[in-house]
Amino acid sequence: DAMVIQNPRYQVTQFGKPVTLSCSQTLNHNVMYWYQQKSSQAPKLLFHYYDKDFNNEADTPDNFQSRRPNTSFCFLDIRSPGLGDAAMYLCATSRSPGQRNSPLHFGNGTRLTVT
Amino acid sequence: GDSVTQMEGPVTLSEEAFLTINCTYTATGYPSLFWYVQYPGEGLQLLLKATKADDKGSNKGFEATYRKETTSFHLEKGSVQVSDSAVYFCALLNGSGNTGKLIFGQGTTLQVKP
Repeated sequence: DAMVIQNPRYQVTQFGKPVTLSCSQTLNHNVMYWYQQKSSQAPKLLFHYYDKDFNNEADTPDNFQSRRPNTSFCFLDIRSPGLGDAAMYLCATSRSPGQRNSPLHFGNGTRLTVT
Repeated sequence: GDSVTQMEGPVTLSEEAFLTINCTYTATGYPSLFWYVQYPGEGLQLLLKATKADDKGSNKGFEATYRKETTSFHLEKGSVQVSDSAVYFCALLNGSGNTGKLIFGQGTTLQVKP
């Protein structure tokens, strides 16, 4: 089945130690998104790639970076994780951004713990 | 700016009860509306959608009607099951091209007891 896969499901890192989360997709979608979801809250968009074009949300901290080496893969890099960055990180894809019939397809997320 | 407001949870129901989760929105233009469901420990799954006024989205016994006059998209199910226990997010998508962004409500937790 075509899908969005996130690895690992659970990630533990130390305060200040860089960490990378990965996402892959077999849907061949043009757009890949990264969301941060803290407990009992709605997902918050960090940034997205439309093909190779990177679109950062205005309030995304500089500590968060992303790479998309090809259509299938996208990475979230947290350069110096703080305790406040502990959250579920969700990757999603869509065919095109902002179009009515192009809903997002989400992966199962990576739960990040910062010790 | 655009926003989505959902009823506060948790909503606790007995199996086979009728479910309504209220969702209202504020948006310019003509957004598309969605319900996503998040089961424990998983990502979000699209449950249903509606792209224009008076459209009814339906899936797995859930349905919601896009009401432009009341700016609402309430989720309903006639008979809930324990397996429906999850967090439900209402969302809207506005704009076109590269500017469109999915905006979520705060989520409503549903607990169904046997």
